[in-house]
Amino acid sequence: AQKITQTQPGMFVQEKEAVTLDCTYDTSDPSYGLFWYKQPSSGEMIFLIYQGSYDQQNATEGRYSLNFQKARKSANLVISASQLGDSAMYFCAMRGPGGYQKVTFGTGTKLQVIP
Amino acid sequence: DTGVSQDPRHKITKRGQNVTFRCDPISEHNRLYWYRQTLGQGPEFLTYFQNEAQLEKSRLLSDRFSAERPKGSFSTLEIQRTEQGDSAMYLCASSVGHNSGANVLTFGAGSRLTVL
Repeated sequence: AQKITQTQPGMFVQEKEAVTLDCTYDTSDPSYGLFWYKQPSSGEMIFLIYQGSYDQQNATEGRYSLNFQKARKSANLVISASQLGDSAMYFCAMRGPGGYQKVTFGTGTKLQVIP
Repeated sequence: DTGVSQDPRHKITKRGQNVTFRCDPISEHNRLYWYRQTLGQGPEFLTYFQNEAQLEKSRLLSDRFSAERPKGSFSTLEIQRTEQGDSAMYLCASSVGHNSGANVLTFGAGSRLTVL
């Protein structure tokens, strides 16, 4: 069974600083994918970044990077140069292998960027 | 491409009534997912379809819930005899459905259900 754990209910970060949001996962499958989504107060789920379990390099998308440590089963999101618009809920998610495409979400971390 | 559409956006109903939500996925996406999200929580998986086949249904889903995707395009989620505990945001998402690659889920804006 897949499981995603986000242990930080809330985080604060100063504007322009970097912040790391933690995510650990549990799966027995060697093939899986990891995602981060952002959910602003308006409610829409916005895809940020993806990491495949066989990807050799950590994923990066603009100010977002994913610190993937496979042996530790962690997939932390790093946001550099935080902006006020980054204030939102952030969810880590995992999908299963191959044709088994169920996507499981963590409980989320609420990030607040302080001016 | 207008993204994933959900209808209605808001539904208020009395306990015991039936409600139906509709989801229109991105046209070239063959996988469609339903999730439920309550305040302050992550989306909980309900069910997913590949084309018209319902491949998995969560054990969280009681037999009052049913989902269909009759022609592999739009999907409906029906809740019969609603209870106050059904109050939540119901999210639909779709993805391309390759067996490799990211298969990023694209979400709709959600349908918010309030059961009085």
